[in-house]
Amino acid sequence: GEDVEQSLFLSVREGDSSVINCTYTDSSSTYLYWYKQEPGAGLQLLTYIFSNMDMKQDQRLTVLLNKKDKHLSLRIADTQTGDSAIYFCAERTGGYQKVTFGTGTKLQVIP
Amino acid sequence: DGGITQSPKYLFRKEGQNVTLSCEQNLNHDAMYWYRQDPGQGLRLIYYSQIVNDFQKGDIAEGYSVSREKKESFPLTVTSAQKNPTAFYLCASSKSGTGGYEQFFGPGTRLTVL
Repeated sequence: GEDVEQSLFLSVREGDSSVINCTYTDSSSTYLYWYKQEPGAGLQLLTYIFSNMDMKQDQRLTVLLNKKDKHLSLRIADTQTGDSAIYFCAERTGGYQKVTFGTGTKLQVIP
Repeated sequence: DGGITQSPKYLFRKEGQNVTLSCEQNLNHDAMYWYRQDPGQGLRLIYYSQIVNDFQKGDIAEGYSVSREKKESFPLTVTSAQKNPTAFYLCASSKSGTGGYEQFFGPGTRLTVL
């Protein structure tokens, strides 16, 4: 079955890079996603990567996928206080719409 | 503007009462979902629906019920059989198919059972 794990908490200084890690168990994952949740709000998609890609870059965000180790990471360059939020990784498996979310990593940015 | 709405934002109920949470979308999405969020546990899938008049149980469906009579609407009822209903509930929708379609989330409803 699917299982997605993340560390619960990360603290970084403003201006530094943040790296949020995620491991998943289902080798048949087709798409992997990163969502951001601000306090008291719903989730918003940041980026996603197809399973046949190793890397995707979008402005300050870099996603790395190591399919052999089933490891996904999100790097945020020049982290700002507005980046403080909970970040969820998620995997989609199979041909239907079910997506499994990780436990979420709370990113705290220290000014 | 297209989007997904949930109401109310905060809901208080007495123990033993059923309560229905509203979810509406105008994105013309076929698929809709309900998740429950508890601190440190991420999102857990309660129910999902890929098309009108059809829905499937997710990982934690016990004590919940849903209906999908219209494409735009996917209400969730939290029944008195749900042992620990106090949580943050999130509704989402997406296109159907085999593409990497993102899920769009509503703002959530925080349910507190007194």
